[in-house]
Formats: sequence, C-alpha cells, structure tokens
Amino acid sequence: GESVGLHLPTLSVQEGDNSIINCAYSNSASDYFIWYKQESGKGPQFIIDIRSNMDKRQGQRVTVLLNKTVKHLSLQIAATQPGDSAVYFCAVLTGNQFYFGTGTSLTVIP
Amino acid sequence: NAGVTQTPKFQVLKTGQSMTLQCAQDMNHNSMYWYRQDPGMGLRLIYYSASEGTTDKGEVPNGYNVSRLNKREFSLRLESAAPPQTSVYFCASRRGFGWDRANTGELFFGEGSRLTVL
Repeated sequence: GESVGLHLPTLSVQEGDNSIINCAYSNSASDYFIWYKQESGKGPQFIIDIRSNMDKRQGQRVTVLLNKTVKHLSLQIAATQPGDSAVYFCAVLTGNQFYFGTGTSLTVIP
Repeated sequence: NAGVTQTPKFQVLKTGQSMTLQCAQDMNHNSMYWYRQDPGMGLRLIYYSASEGTTDKGEVPNGYNVSRLNKREFSLRLESAAPPQTSVYFCASRRGFGWDRANTGELFFGEGSRLTVL
C-alpha cells in the first residue's frame, strides 16, 4: 500500500510571497505524482505532475520538486495571489492506485 | 467541454433508503473512479473501473455497488444508506490506467455530490 502525509494542515502567507507545501510518501515504488488544488465546494483541479524519473518540473508560477531518496514531494507557488487560497493535496500513484494526502489549506493574506 | 459530470449535487437520505449517484465523462477516458472525501482524511477510493466492462473494489467498498454502464458512464449505488456514508463523493476519470508510459495522465474530477444520511 501507500501512506501519504502532508506536513502542515494550514499555511498562511502574505500576498506576493512564495508558498511551499510539502508531502511525504512511504512507498519507494511510487511512479507518478500530482498536485491538486481544491476550492471550497468544488472538485480537485490538476496543477502539475511529475514522473519518478524527474526531480523537478516547472509550470506557470508553480514548481514541483521530487526527492526520491527521502520520499518527499513539494509544491512551490511563486508570488502567491489571493486566488491561490484553497486546499492543496498531493496524489501518489503506486501500482494501479492513487493515494491522497489530507491536504494543506493555504490562506493568502492581502 | 463538460469533462466529468456528476448528479445529483446534493442529496439527503434517511437511513435504509437507496440511491444511485450518476457519473459521465466526455473525454473518451478508459478508467473511472469513485472516491469519498471526509474531513481530515484524504480522498479514499471506493470502487474503480480500469476499462469498460470491468470493476474492482478500492479501499472502502463496503456498502456500495457500482456499474460501468458503458465507456462514458460509471454509477455508484448505495443499497441501504447509513449515517457513516455521509460524505462528499467524487467521480474521476483518467485516460489510461495504472503506470502506462503511453497513457499516463492525471485524474479529472467532477464537482462532487454531497450526501447526507440521517
């Protein structure tokens, strides 16, 4: 199986600062990793993904870092904006199933 | 482009009643999934369908049944609802299944169905 945990259940940042959200997983055979954003009352939305053969991937204002040695995944959001306020969680593909973290609630302070 | 559509969005049931949550996707995806989301817990897999014609149990299947009606539609049925089944249910679909280098892709989620069992 797999155990996925997020390091902080809540995170508050000032608008314009960078945000870092962390995720740890337990199974070294995990292949594929996704970060999702979930706004209140909505379904999770894809932000960025990374495969196990990479250690960094960048998108628009977001970067995902993967450290397979310590089984750790992080999401960095540059110049955080009020619209970034949401719950963020990681999904880890192990075998044929995705395992999800419990989520970090990000609040952006204007 | 609708993506993944779930109905109903809200439902209140009494203990012992039955109901079916409907899910349809228009992306020609092969695999479909039903998850439940509870406060303080990550999304947990109830059932999945790797391809049309197949279904399998996930982490928390007890009290539920599913039907993969065709490639587009995957329904979740509660035969006799109980208060612990109060949750938000999400349907998701994916182009491939498992780790398939040609088809790996993310899960696309519906907007959720909020179910309360009294």
